[in-house]
Amino acid sequence: SQTIHQWPATLVQPVGSPLSLECTVEGTSNPNLYWYRQAAGRGLQLLFYSVGIGQISSEVPQNLSASRPQDRQFILSSKKLLLSDSGFYLCAWTPGGQGQETQYFGPGTRLLVL
Amino acid sequence: SQQGEEDPQALSIQEGENATMNCSYKTSINNLQWYRQNSGRGLVHLILIRSNEREKHSGRLRVTLDTSKKSSSLLITASRAADTASYFCATAVDTGRRALTFGSGTRLQVQP
Repeated sequence: SQTIHQWPATLVQPVGSPLSLECTVEGTSNPNLYWYRQAAGRGLQLLFYSVGIGQISSEVPQNLSASRPQDRQFILSSKKLLLSDSGFYLCAWTPGGQGQETQYFGPGTRLLVL
Repeated sequence: SQQGEEDPQALSIQEGENATMNCSYKTSINNLQWYRQNSGRGLVHLILIRSNEREKHSGRLRVTLDTSKKSSSLLITASRAADTASYFCATAVDTGRRALTFGSGTRLQVQP
């Protein structure tokens, strides 16, 4: 069966510090991968998605970047965090293909920038 | 603005009552999906309805889709306290974009 992992679960970082959040998927090959951000009590904002190694689509200009160094690994990064980067970050995957079928979400990382 | 907008934003009902949530969208879709999110957790897929379907059932869940009105509804029958969560609709549009667009969600509180 497929499993998706995210870490860390919680992170408190000072403004201006770097960020690296990792997401890995097990039990599948060539998945589509997604990074979302969710503000408290709000909906999901799609940040990046990837349909293959090294292929990144950016949805919204951000202080963030994403990379996919391996087939089942998706990394969200920032060189210098802003207060507005605080939120709940969710990684998700779908089977490779159109990417419009069911999405499977990880447990999320709660980021607080102080 | 969002492709999918849920209504109401918040809903509070008693256990045993039915809960109805609505989702409206703006552009033609390939499918529409409903997800559930417990507080502080990831989203869980509930049901997918395709553009050529009008109604779908899964246990206590009933989803309808009206493509002429660009709207969908999620009905939870005989609600339980454990149904307390946020519910989101997500749409897949035919633009080659390999992603879904999520609405802002309905927060459901079921009082025991």
